[in-house]
Amino acid sequence: ETGVTQTPRHLVMGMTNKKSLKCEQHLGHNAMYWYKQSAKKPLELMFVYSLEERVENNSVPSRFSPECPNSSHLFLHLHTLQPEDSALYLCASSRGLAGESYNEQFFGPGTRLTVL
Amino acid sequence: DQQVKQNSPSLSVQEGRISILNCDYTNSMFDYFLWYKKYPAEGPTFLISISSIKDKNEDGRFTVFLNKSAKHLSLHIVPSQPGDSAVYFCAAWGAGSYQLTFGKGTKLSVIP
Repeated sequence: ETGVTQTPRHLVMGMTNKKSLKCEQHLGHNAMYWYKQSAKKPLELMFVYSLEERVENNSVPSRFSPECPNSSHLFLHLHTLQPEDSALYLCASSRGLAGESYNEQFFGPGTRLTVL
Repeated sequence: DQQVKQNSPSLSVQEGRISILNCDYTNSMFDYFLWYKKYPAEGPTFLISISSIKDKNEDGRFTVFLNKSAKHLSLHIVPSQPGDSAVYFCAAWGAGSYQLTFGKGTKLSVIP
């Protein structure tokens, strides 16, 4: 148990559906992240939020829309996805953003997304 | 182009022996390195880290070595236990960057 929870754990959706992934962290962290892990690829950073402000958007298609209503919650809204978007979506949080020892990222268990 | 490379997709080790997982990087701006461990159906779990000002960091059975001139780091697990069987990811961070760059992972199997 890392203190980061994600729901749902599994999601199957059609290309015309709209769904949302939810992440919650119970660690009092200020930064939250969305990552995508596709088969046989490294984790890819999608979005970074610090104190509810987006600070990084790594050229992610607009069919992925993040929302951070407060420092404990992060959402990823999905609409008109493609089959190649099927992957494991991981949420993470950290105390701060800088690459220092107290800012390791803690990951949730992920949502396994399948787009039909 | 991959900036963090784990060239061995898998590794098998006998219980009680040493496991050595390797990682190479290309970006000289990286100054902080981490190892994560991932079990199936779980997210990665932070294991150990090292700053570029050090060449070794030890935590119990886990030791990470950093060779900056070779842009190489390794994770040593000794003695290896069956519960260590997992996928291990190497990751790196550059000063002032928000981005943690991951390798593809190495699957470690510890055989009883």
